[in-house]
Amino acid sequence: EIVLTQSPGTLSLSPGDRATLSCRASQSVRNNYLVWYQQKLGQAPRLLIYRASNRATGIPDRFSGSGSGTDFTLTISRLEPEDFAVYYCQQHGSSFWTFGQGTKVEIK
Amino acid sequence: QVQLQESGPGLVKPSETLSLTCTLSGGSINNYYWTWIRQPPGKGLEWIGYIYYNGNTNYNPSLNSRVTISVDTSKDLLSLRLSSVTAADTAVYYCGRWNEGVDYWGRGTLVTVSS
Repeated sequence: EIVLTQSPGTLSLSPGDRATLSCRASQSVRNNYLVWYQQKLGQAPRLLIYRASNRATGIPDRFSGSGSGTDFTLTISRLEPEDFAVYYCQQHGSSFWTFGQGTKVEIK
Repeated sequence: QVQLQESGPGLVKPSETLSLTCTLSGGSINNYYWTWIRQPPGKGLEWIGYIYYNGNTNYNPSLNSRVTISVDTSKDLLSLRLSSVTAADTAVYYCGRWNEGVDYWGRGTLVTVSS
């Protein structure tokens, strides 16, 4: 099982700030099959980034993903009010897909 | 526009079988992978398993002996069965279309396991 550890657990920032979220895998993620989702309270998650660095359809370019192997990052260049939410990473490089525990981005 | 809708009992007794259906509209089951994911109240996401439209499946090893995912391509339906449930299976259950990530999600349905 590939364990994904997200940090920090909570990020307290202001609108306009830059957010940097980390997702570290316990072993290398094959083909960088790493996905990022955003989830707002009471809603289903929304796909943001696939294969580590590719924005999904309709995702604003302030969201970017980077990294490879075991270390991945989601960056939100300038936080908009609607970006305050919980973010999850997920790997599908092994037959046992796993999620990180999530990072909450809250308003400071 | 692809839409997914989960349906099924909101309350299941311990030791019984949880059965959910996911209805697809605005698209076709064919040529995609489909997945079930759950989220216990106030907690994170857990992958349950996926199925390809041809019936090939892959399940979370921690649930493998209890879970069955199936598709009905003639009705564009996806199904989940989870047997011998306990309170730990209480969660919001989501179905989704897999396309290098879950690009379409159902709204989720809360299933509570309680006597």
